[in-house]
Amino acid sequence: RKEVEQDPGPFNVPEGATVAFNCTYSNSASQSFFWYRQDCRKEPKLLMSVYSSGNEDGRFTAQLNRASQYISLLIRDSKLSDSATYLCVVPMNTGFQKLVFGTGTRLLVSP
Amino acid sequence: GAGVSQSPSNKVTEKGKDVELRCDPISGHTALYWYRQSLGQGLEFLIYFQGNSAPDKSGLPSDRFSAERTGGSVSTLTIQRTQQEDSAVYLCASSLFAGGDYNEQFFGPGTRLTVL
Repeated sequence: RKEVEQDPGPFNVPEGATVAFNCTYSNSASQSFFWYRQDCRKEPKLLMSVYSSGNEDGRFTAQLNRASQYISLLIRDSKLSDSATYLCVVPMNTGFQKLVFGTGTRLLVSP
Repeated sequence: GAGVSQSPSNKVTEKGKDVELRCDPISGHTALYWYRQSLGQGLEFLIYFQGNSAPDKSGLPSDRFSAERTGGSVSTLTIQRTQQEDSAVYLCASSLFAGGDYNEQFFGPGTRLTVL
């Protein structure tokens, strides 16, 4: 099993739609997780951190299911500007020095 | 303030040549990381530096790869005798500190390396 697995997509949704991505991880000891956003040919940028059961920031909600070892990212009221690749990130160690990145899920929001 | 900068933005080289990639971290950040992102792959950890401590080189794929960080600031990633499989985007990131609570890693724009 890969350390971090994501559905590559693409997810094609209309503006205003709600969309959710899942990410599964193999290390049951992992305590913290992150979602990064990467625009085409740009660098990744931190979107959200998930330290306990979940986190909400405006239209974005991240949830953690430790029993099933997956985290999800929910985007409500999708905007055209949400089109990007969303990377699931799991620290390898408690010091956060090493991050394992998933291959990303691509989202395309259309008018 | 200025973010992480990398140079060159693009590098095309011939198989067997050596290349040097440069990273300027955010001022004041003591931790610096190198990753590479191959087409269709996730970011792959290569190496990280924390202050004056010995770097963690556990992610370097072969002994053709090396990196140094001078004066706790600028870092150079060197790839010797480049191979076609080295073609990728090489990303540098920096953070305030590595350890304890998570300190966000800020990424540079990357260097796109193409080995012909």
